[in-house]
Order: sequence, then structure tokens, then C-alpha cells
Amino acid sequence: SQELEQSPQSLIVQEGKNLTINCTSSKTLYGLYWYKQKYGEGLIFLMMLQKGGEEKSHEKITAKLDEKKQQSSLHITASQPSHAGIYLCGAGGGNNRLAFGKGNQVVVIP
Amino acid sequence: DAGVIQSPRHEVTEMGQEVTLRCKPISGHDYLFWYRQTMMRGLELLIYFNNNVPIDDSGMPEDRFSAKMPNASFSTLKIQPSEPRDSAVYFCASSLGVASSYEQYFGPGTRLTVT
Repeated sequence: SQELEQSPQSLIVQEGKNLTINCTSSKTLYGLYWYKQKYGEGLIFLMMLQKGGEEKSHEKITAKLDEKKQQSSLHITASQPSHAGIYLCGAGGGNNRLAFGKGNQVVVIP
Repeated sequence: DAGVIQSPRHEVTEMGQEVTLRCKPISGHDYLFWYRQTMMRGLELLIYFNNNVPIDDSGMPEDRFSAKMPNASFSTLKIQPSEPRDSAVYFCASSLGVASSYEQYFGPGTRLTVT
């Protein structure tokens, strides 16, 4: 089964600073999803990447899928308190089951 | 669209009781997924349906868990009898297509506590 490892597990950044979190897969990724979750709430879809080398941006968040399609990074520029939460990566392994990593907890200090 | 709707939002029950969680997917979505989230194991897929038919239930922990989808707009996840280790947040999600190509939209979750 596909396993996704997210790093770092948690990080604290000062407001205005940039941050990068990573998602590494044990197998080739067929569709990599980034979601954001706030405590007590459901997952909010951020972006989906499918092609090796693909990069997508939404507001100040940029996600990239590496050429070999086994790792994705999510970069936040000039972080704000609204960026705080848990970021989860999910991947389809070809069998229509979406596997998720344990998440990256992001804390933004004003 | 109201998004995926789940009820109840919170459930506290005693060990041995039956628990039923409910989900209304987004209209027009052919796939429905039930997940469980815990601190230890993260987010795990329990079962998913395609056009109301259960396709893969390999994630269902044991026979105490059952899920149904009687029509395209309603699904239930039942635990009978419940145990303290079932305490978790249960999410329902729906999508237009297969997991590798279509994003899943999640409901707000049901936080289950079994005492």
C-alpha cells in the first residue's frame, strides 16, 4: 500500500516569513492532493498535481510535484495567521483509494 | 451547493451502544467515501461507494462497522456495539470521479466519543 510521509511534522514561523513543507511517497504518485484542516473542521481542498514537474499556485501558496513523481512540496510566501492549520497530502495509488499523510502542523506567530 | 453534510457533529455514547453517523453528499457526485481520523493513525479510508454500491470496504475495522447507501443522497455508517477505541472523528467525502483524478470534498466530520 502507498505510504506518505510528511515533514516536518510541525513548525512554527513568524508572520511574514516563508515556509516549505514536504510530502514523500513510497510509490509513484498518481494524483497528489494538498488539503488544509483547521482543528475541529473538515478538510479544505487546496490543489491537485498530476504531472511530474507540475507547479500550481493559489494566492500565496505554491505546490510542486517533482519530476520523478514521488515527492511534493508546498511553499507559503509571507505567511499570515490565516495560514495556520494542518496541511495534509493525499495520493491516489491507482486503485481509487486515497492515502493520506499524517499532516504538517503549521503555527504562525503574529 | 451546501457541500457535504454530516450529522450529528458530535456524539457521546456509552460502550456497547449503537451509533449511526449520517452523510449527504454533494448532488451529482458519484463517489462517496467514509474516513476515520485519529491522532495515532491519521486519516484512514474505511469504505467507498460508487453509484450507491459499496466498492471497497477493506478499511472497515471489523464486523461491528457497517455502511449503507440506500440512494444517491444519503449514506450511513453504523457501529454496533461501540467501543472506546472507536472514538475518533469520522469524515464523509464525495467526488465526481476516481481518486487519482478528482478531488474529494469533505464534510465537517462527526466527533465520536465512546465512554
